[in-house]
Amino acid sequence: KAGVTQTPRYLIKTRGQQVTLSCSPISGHRSVSWYQQTPGQGLQFLFEYFSETQRNKGNFPGRFSGRQFSNSRSEMNVSTLELGDSALYLCASSSDRDRSEKLFFGSGTQLSVL
Amino acid sequence: GESVGLHLPTLSVQEGDNSIINCAYSNSASDYFIWYKQESGKGPQFIIDIRSNMDKRQGQRVTVLLNKTVKHLSLQIAATQPGDSAVYFCAEIHTSGTYKYIFGTGTRLKVLA
Repeated sequence: KAGVTQTPRYLIKTRGQQVTLSCSPISGHRSVSWYQQTPGQGLQFLFEYFSETQRNKGNFPGRFSGRQFSNSRSEMNVSTLELGDSALYLCASSSDRDRSEKLFFGSGTQLSVL
Repeated sequence: GESVGLHLPTLSVQEGDNSIINCAYSNSASDYFIWYKQESGKGPQFIIDIRSNMDKRQGQRVTVLLNKTVKHLSLQIAATQPGDSAVYFCAEIHTSGTYKYIFGTGTRLKVLA
């Protein structure tokens, strides 16, 4: 079974631009969640999608958004990029029907904002 | 506020010795806990989990201990190997009512040859 796939692996953007990151979960997993990882803040929860609906949301500004498609693939978008958005963005999928507990992570997208 | 934290940011252990990584949590209503391992350039990987109705669970070379009285979680790695070098995160999950999934800040484990 293929693992969680995230694309692209690396991204360099400038302030004010927008970016879209993609995540393909493990086949059969319907829950996809997104995390931001930085050296200073650790792993911070962004949001979680289940069956195309946002089920949970973390404390991030509205510039961060996401969506999930019918095939469970997910994208997250960050608009009007700021220097502080530089981070590793991790996607995780889970097979749990009701709650996302054991998470399977991708290798992440390393975003650098210049 | 609610948080999950680690006592030691870096732990250096001699190869072959046992490692103990600690984690404190603040939400007594959390009912599920997981330890993840993150190697350089990779996402976190599940190691072992424990429900709040248990106080100990063993896996292959790893043991998780849960002390709900003092809200403390630990990961013990037996006979630590070079491949164990990584950052370890505890995660605290609250599944009833308002769902919450909170990661600790992480502990870096360095295995010395």
